[in-house]
Amino acid sequence: KNQVEQSPQSLIILEGKNCTLQCNYTVSPFSNLRWYKQDTGRGPVSLTIMTFSENTKSNGRYTATLDADTKQSSLHITASQLSDSASYICVVSESGGYQKVTFGIGTKLQVIP
Amino acid sequence: DTGVSQNPRHKITKRGQNVTFRCDPISEHNRLYWYRQTLGQGPEFLTYFQNEAQLEKSRLLSDRFSAERPKGSFSTLEIQRTEQGDSAMYLCASSSIRPARTDTQYFGPGTRLTVL
Repeated sequence: KNQVEQSPQSLIILEGKNCTLQCNYTVSPFSNLRWYKQDTGRGPVSLTIMTFSENTKSNGRYTATLDADTKQSSLHITASQLSDSASYICVVSESGGYQKVTFGIGTKLQVIP
Repeated sequence: DTGVSQNPRHKITKRGQNVTFRCDPISEHNRLYWYRQTLGQGPEFLTYFQNEAQLEKSRLLSDRFSAERPKGSFSTLEIQRTEQGDSAMYLCASSSIRPARTDTQYFGPGTRLTVL
């Protein structure tokens, strides 16, 4: 069964600090991995997407890495801001005629002043 | 606004009633997805359309649930004889078949259903 596991489940950091969120997956055959940010009560918003051949991708203060061999990804947030408080969801897609996606349960990040 | 829209944003209903949600995808997107999300959990896949064809349905989609996309544009999700366990956020997402292998899904704001 395809699974996506994220850690930690929740995290509290001080404003201005950096943090790293982890994602391990067993999805196969792999197509791509995305990180989404979901504010409370809203739909997820895409941050980054990486295919098999990409090791790292940045979007402003967000940097995602992918190790397709170990099936691990991380999302690094630099110089955190209060607006970064949200759930961060790792989503992995299978390749095929159409893409099936498996969602992690997310890491709930709280940035405090 | 050219993003994915969903209506209504909130729905409160009594157990046993039928409810229908609507999703309007991004206009050029031919793929449309429905998900259900309960508090503290990631979205769970319900069903997927490519144009007007419903290509996959999750086992989560019981006989009480039905989804349509009659003209390959907007979609509706109907829940019949609602139960308290149906209370959740129902998310719609759309994506384009091109470029291949990236297929980023753009999510709507969701419809929050509360069954009393």
